[in-house]
Amino acid sequence: AQKVTQAQTEISVVEKEDVTLDCVYETRDTTYYLFWYKQPPSGELVFLIRRNSFDEQNEISGRYSWNFQKSTSSFNFTITASQVVDSAVYFCALSPNSVGSGNTGKLIFGQGTTLQVKP
Amino acid sequence: EAQVTQNPRYLITVTGKKLTVTCSQNMNHEYMSWYRQDPGLGLRQIYYSMNVEVTDKGDVPEGYKVSRKEKRNFPLILESPSPNQTSLYFCASSLSVRGHSYNSPLHFGNGTRLTVT
Repeated sequence: AQKVTQAQTEISVVEKEDVTLDCVYETRDTTYYLFWYKQPPSGELVFLIRRNSFDEQNEISGRYSWNFQKSTSSFNFTITASQVVDSAVYFCALSPNSVGSGNTGKLIFGQGTTLQVKP
Repeated sequence: EAQVTQNPRYLITVTGKKLTVTCSQNMNHEYMSWYRQDPGLGLRQIYYSMNVEVTDKGDVPEGYKVSRKEKRNFPLILESPSPNQTSLYFCASSLSVRGHSYNSPLHFGNGTRLTVT
């Protein structure tokens, strides 16, 4: 089964705190991609990062960092020194590459984690 | 500006009245797709298109139609909308899902909030 689990439904932090959003995925494919998207209150979906299954290097972009661990099938997202503008719903997504069913380009999304950053 | 444009942003309609949600991208992307977002269910793929004149069903295609006559446009058609199609709809595109551009990121439109009464 292909599945993405974001166990944290809602997280509330105070500005300047660090916060980690968890993402655990399931797939039998050896080649796949993982994504994080942000959905601010205005509703649009904003692409944050893409990581392929062969690249386990962690990545940092400003206050954002991502930790990909294939051994635990996790792709966690950390925001350092959170700001009120970080308040949004964050989605982790998996794009499998199943040889049997072909590549449809589909993203399998987790349920999302609502992050509230209070001033 | 590179973008995916959906219209309308908000739509309230009645059961059975045919409607079309338009989607257009200006990035010369081959791949386009429609998703719906529902509380507790996340985002689910409705239809996708690998290229012009090529469309296929996603996970929840019932009650929807699409067409891809031009590369830039991928309208979503609800022939006879029902209340269970009340949802937030997203159109998305990416360069290609094949070849050297395999799995380029999906770029999403701003969403269309549809209410069917």
